[in-house]
Amino acid sequence: DTAVSQTPKYLVTQMGNDKSIKCEQNLGHDTMYWYKQDSKKFLKIMFSYNNKELIINETVPNRFSPKSPDKAHLNLHINSLELGDSAVYFCASSQWGGGAGMETQYFGPGTRLLVL
Amino acid sequence: EDQVTQSPEALRLQEGESSSLNCSYTVSGLRGLFWYRQDPGKGPEFLFTLYSAGEEKEKERLKATLTKKESFLHITAPKPEDSATYLCAVCGTSGSRLTFGEGTQLTVNP
Repeated sequence: DTAVSQTPKYLVTQMGNDKSIKCEQNLGHDTMYWYKQDSKKFLKIMFSYNNKELIINETVPNRFSPKSPDKAHLNLHINSLELGDSAVYFCASSQWGGGAGMETQYFGPGTRLLVL
Repeated sequence: EDQVTQSPEALRLQEGESSSLNCSYTVSGLRGLFWYRQDPGKGPEFLFTLYSAGEEKEKERLKATLTKKESFLHITAPKPEDSATYLCAVCGTSGSRLTFGEGTQLTVNP
């Protein structure tokens, strides 16, 4: 029944490691997003994909690479993890409304990443 | 660049004590303003979208209003289950993405 799911829920790793976070949605949406929420609860968009095509690519280090194998999945791979990458990463999905950004977004439960 | 400022950062209320949360924004052409609720350890949950000044929307004990510079989320006779962080976000004509504020953490004591 879960609409937007993410794995893993928790991720603890050492600096310099490479890790991936997976996201899946069963809402039939065309658009998916990755957000980063820092310790102050500030939620900021990183990427968005529409039907496997990259639409939004914010100023994010090249170490972060999203991949969308199909429109129901959007994964986030992070190379050479740094202390500052510690945060909660949220996946979200929405219908495609022409790219105006106005469609209601449905968020996953988040992945809590801690880099030691 | 779109900006959103929410106040207060934290608010404690007694059950039944009504209050309002504020969301001030600057945006080059507002397409819409969104309110989300976030419970601890969970993702944001959509509450409302407001499109133009003067618009109001209600859901149970919550009512959202919008002016040209700010939005208010009014909570009438809150209950402990209303405790959460409330996030405000805007979407402007300059970019096809949501810009979020830092949220107001609401605690309602029984």
